Amino acid sequence: QVQLVQSGTEVKKPGASVKVSCKVSGYNFMNFYLHWVRQAPGQGPEWMGWINPDSGATTTAQKFQGRVSMTRDTSVSTAYMELNTLTSDDTAVYFCARWYYIFSVGYYDHWGQGTLVTVSS
Amino acid sequence: DIQMTQSPSSLSASVGDRVTITCRASQGIRYDVGWYQQKPGKAPKSLIYSASSLQSGVPSRFSGSGSGTEFTLTISGLQPEDFATYYCLQHNGYPWTFGQGTKVDIK
Repeated sequence: QVQLVQSGTEVKKPGASVKVSCKVSGYNFMNFYLHWVRQAPGQGPEWMGWINPDSGATTTAQKFQGRVSMTRDTSVSTAYMELNTLTSDDTAVYFCARWYYIFSVGYYDHWGQGTLVTVSS
Repeated sequence: DIQMTQSPSSLSASVGDRVTITCRASQGIRYDVGWYQQKPGKAPKSLIYSASSLQSGVPSRFSGSGSGTEFTLTISGLQPEDFATYYCLQHNGYPWTFGQGTKVDIK
């Protein structure tokens, strides 16, 4: 079955960086874009961007441009999201999600379990 | 950015009630909208895609409608397991944006 398994909880100091991983199994890693979505405590989800695991191409929300890097390692079917220059506003649960897209129709059909990133001095 | 204005932000309802949640887009987005249900501590779950298509395995009491700028999620006959927070998501223009959410709780 399809699974997205994320790395564990992180606690970082302001100004540091965090790298979250998302290892997929149960399907061909190359076939579906992976998105990153974060959710601050008590808030709604916020879309961060996506990576095409096949080509490595990415699109990120302008809000995060220059501060976020989305990469992948096809040999281990894993996507990564690195966020730099952290502030307390980056405290959130970070999700990876598979965007299922076929015949011009798309939706998130599988999600990782979420990774809590806490930024605190 | 395309703003998705979701209303109401919360509502109290009883089992068996009909519930309607609305998202209004700041510009036309065709039918590029999905609806997601989220329970505490869990990832969102897809209910409706392309504004009105029911996700496989989702009960038929859930339905979606709309196109352009107005979208609606309806739950016909609320069940105990439906008490959760609901979000719309537009994927027509970058950045993709979610509505602010509607928390449905027990009256």
